[in-house]
Amino acid sequence: ETGVTQSPTHLIKTRGQQVTLRCSSQSGHNTVSWYQQALGQGPQFIFQYYREEENGRGNFPPRFSGLQFPNYSSELNVNALELDDSALYLCASSNRTGEFYGYTFGSGTRLTVV
Amino acid sequence: AQSVTQLGSHVSVSEGALVLLRCNYSSSVPPYLFWYVQYPNQGLQLLLKYTTGATLVKGINGFEAEFKKSETSFHLTKPSAHMSDAAEYFCAVTAPRNNRLAFGKGNQVVVIP
Repeated sequence: ETGVTQSPTHLIKTRGQQVTLRCSSQSGHNTVSWYQQALGQGPQFIFQYYREEENGRGNFPPRFSGLQFPNYSSELNVNALELDDSALYLCASSNRTGEFYGYTFGSGTRLTVV
Repeated sequence: AQSVTQLGSHVSVSEGALVLLRCNYSSSVPPYLFWYVQYPNQGLQLLLKYTTGATLVKGINGFEAEFKKSETSFHLTKPSAHMSDAAEYFCAVTAPRNNRLAFGKGNQVVVIP
C-alpha cells in the first residue's frame, strides 16, 4: 500500500504571493487533514476534508483554503503569504474514524516566505 | 478543548539508559492518546496509541506508554536507548468523533554514546 505523498518538498515564496500544496492520500483512506508545524513547535490543525467538503477547521484565517478531489487527494492553498506562514505543512490521511485508528502523515512541504 | 503538555524541550539520554518522556493531557471527555516520532526532514510516524482497553500500550521500536487516568498522563518509556532513537517525539490527544489531533510542543531526544 502506498503512503501519503506530498509535493513539492520545498518551496520559497515572496510575501504577498499565493501557494498551492498537494497531497495524495494513502490507499484506502478517504479523509485528509492538514497541519502547520512552525519551527520548534508541534503541528497545529488547519482543517480536514471528507467527501470533498471541509469537515472542521482550526484557528486559521480564511486565506487558508483547501480542496479535496474525488480520488481523495487534496490541495492546501494559502493566499497573501505572510512571513509567519513559513513552516512545515503536513498532510495526514485516514479513514473516517481516524481518531481511533490513527492518521498516516506525509513527509511534508517546507514553505519559506521571504 | 483538549491539550497536551510536554515538559523539557530537549532530553539527553545515554546510550543504553532508560528513555522517559512525559506527557500530561487535558480533556473533558475520555481521550484517545498518541505518540508520534519525527526524524529530521521527515513527517510524523506513529509509535503507539491508546484508545480503549489495556492501559499499557506497546509500540514500535521497543517503546511503550501507560495511560493513567488519575494522573492525566501518558508517559512514553523505552528501557534502553539506542543511537537510532535520536529524534523529536510528540504526544497528541483527541477524542471519539473528534476530527483533529492536539499536539504538544515535542521533546527533542539526544542520545549520548
